[in-house]
Amino acid sequence: GQQLNQSPQSMFIQEGEDVSMNCTSSSIFNTWLWYKQDPGEGPVLLIALYKAGELTSNGRLTAQFGITRKDSFLNISASIPSDVGIYFCAGTGGTSYGKLTFGQGTILTVHP
Amino acid sequence: NAGVTQTPKFRVLKTGQSMTLLCAQDMNHEYMYWYRQDPGMGLRLIHYSVGEGTTAKGEVPDGYNVSRLKKQNFLLGLESAAPSQTSVYFCASSRSLNTDTQYFGPGTRLTVL
Repeated sequence: GQQLNQSPQSMFIQEGEDVSMNCTSSSIFNTWLWYKQDPGEGPVLLIALYKAGELTSNGRLTAQFGITRKDSFLNISASIPSDVGIYFCAGTGGTSYGKLTFGQGTILTVHP
Repeated sequence: NAGVTQTPKFRVLKTGQSMTLLCAQDMNHEYMYWYRQDPGMGLRLIHYSVGEGTTAKGEVPDGYNVSRLKKQNFLLGLESAAPSQTSVYFCASSRSLNTDTQYFGPGTRLTVL
């Protein structure tokens, strides 16, 4: 099946720093989604991307749908302690039409 | 409006025991999903449903069964639990199948001894 490679696996940063993470796929996706999961909770959608090249912001978060449709990245600017959690990319399209394929997740730790 | 709820939150089983996880949504969504989450592997789709009375296999369906007798409920069953099924299970729902947002429940942490 389709696979997503998400990197980095974990990040340890100081409060105020910017963060960048990305996802790559071996096949084309029609939609890219970025989720955040807080400890003991289910994932919550942060940003959804529907067109190649699309750049979308949600507060301090910015995500882009790669031109090749095989990658996406998420940036968090001026990180704060509540940004701590696991960030997942997810995609749908191609052979997995209608079903989300998730990346392995990036564990973000923010030191005050 | 509770969104997606799951019961139970925690469960410990012995190998060979059976159990059913219940997912309920109050958003009138057509589509519902069951995922399992394991460390370093993200979320993997077990089964999903495109409407009342329908179910389909996902990426890792073996050892699980599901039923969608009512639109708002999606049940995940383990007939004979195995230690490999120790995981955190998430239910999700969405209005449509292709690109719509999936809303997740809080998860059920299952340990099989």
